[in-house]
Amino acid sequence: KAGVTQTPRYLIKTRGQQVTLSCSPISGHRSVSWYQQTPGQGLQFLFEYFSETQRNKGNFPGRFSGRQFSNSRSEMNVSTLELGDSALYLCASSLVGVTDSGNTIYFGEGSWLTVV
Amino acid sequence: AQSVSQHNHHVILSEAASLELGCNYSYGGTVNLFWYVQYPGQHLQLLLKYFSGDPLVKGIKGFEAEFIKSKFSFNLRKPSVQWSDTAEYFCAVNARNTDKLIFGTGTRLQVFP
Repeated sequence: KAGVTQTPRYLIKTRGQQVTLSCSPISGHRSVSWYQQTPGQGLQFLFEYFSETQRNKGNFPGRFSGRQFSNSRSEMNVSTLELGDSALYLCASSLVGVTDSGNTIYFGEGSWLTVV
Repeated sequence: AQSVSQHNHHVILSEAASLELGCNYSYGGTVNLFWYVQYPGQHLQLLLKYFSGDPLVKGIKGFEAEFIKSKFSFNLRKPSVQWSDTAEYFCAVNARNTDKLIFGTGTRLQVFP
């Protein structure tokens, strides 16, 4: 079956702009979470959605937001981009969430965002 | 707050050497534990996970990890590494009352033939 699909794979934005990243989870998966990966900070949790509701949120400013649609696809948005937002943004999906019955989280290949 | 420490940032080994990567976490409650691997240019893949039961967990590609609750540790081991094990390895923890993974900073493993 197809894995977690993220688009776009690479993009360059200018400071102050906004960006929307898209994630299609594995078919049947209802939980989608987002992570930011940078060389300095490693992998940091952004937020997690389940059945169109945000269940958990990490320690990121309000410029970072997300949503999930009825088909479980998810988008994350970053407004007023800063240079420090340059990172690999990873989407992950699982059936119902990690804490439920030991379901595995599967990661996509990520979207590389460069802010100039 | 939860945190995960991976003490080895960069490990260099020759093929056939044994590997042990340390992972310690801080959280007082029940946790789920994971090791993920990221090969060059590829996405994160699950190596193994511990949820309950036998604290010695076997994963893919000959990797195993042992959960020692008293030491808050979940070290990754492989008796004989191969060049193809060159990758970055991430330990992650999930507290049972949340749905987010807390990752360590990763360990870069280089294996030379």
